[in-house]
Amino acid sequence: GAVVSQHPSRVICKSGTSVKIECRSLDFQATTMFWYRQFPKQSLMLMATSNEGSKATYEQGVEKDKFLINHASLTLSTLTVTSAHPEDSSFYICSASPPGGVDEQYFGPGTRLTVT
Amino acid sequence: AQSVSQHNHHVILSEAASLELGCNYSYGGTVNLFWYVQYPGQHLQLLLKYFSGDPLVKGIKGFEAEFIKSKFSFNLRKPSVQWSDTAEYFCAATGPGRRALTFGSGTRLQVQP
Repeated sequence: GAVVSQHPSRVICKSGTSVKIECRSLDFQATTMFWYRQFPKQSLMLMATSNEGSKATYEQGVEKDKFLINHASLTLSTLTVTSAHPEDSSFYICSASPPGGVDEQYFGPGTRLTVT
Repeated sequence: AQSVSQHNHHVILSEAASLELGCNYSYGGTVNLFWYVQYPGQHLQLLLKYFSGDPLVKGIKGFEAEFIKSKFSFNLRKPSVQWSDTAEYFCAATGPGRRALTFGSGTRLQVQP
């Protein structure tokens, strides 16, 4: 089956620093990747849709200057949390969708970000 | 606005009991529906999906779901749960022109041996 990886799986950073999270589709090309955020004991909330070779589409209320998304290749999308604050602490999950118009997504294992 | 709601937030069952988790959606037009499971410490896995055709969908691990258009529902069922089914279950949907998933709030299932 399709495999999506995320790196790192867990990161702790200090307030004011930036953190980059990578999402890779290992055995398929993903023209579209999605970034979600999951708060403890809550559901996943879509942050942005990342399209290879073009700008990401952000959901309402998500600061694009704070959460920088780059989809530089068909197998890699990165999310950079800039000037992180403790309230950015969360579980960040990416998913990748293979081309072909099929509405199916494969999820990465997630990245636990803790900002101190 | 598109939305997905799950009414059961926490369900506790004994092994061999039957399971039904509710999911309702609010979408205009054609909808694709999914159930995902998240085992403790693991990533989301697809249990089953409905795009069109037979409204009774069978998934992995003995799960099934029924799409009832008139009720805007897509409930998840399993006739006999096992301890290993302990996990968080998410209903999700995509709609016309939107490939990103809209998730329900999730249901935590705890199966007691």
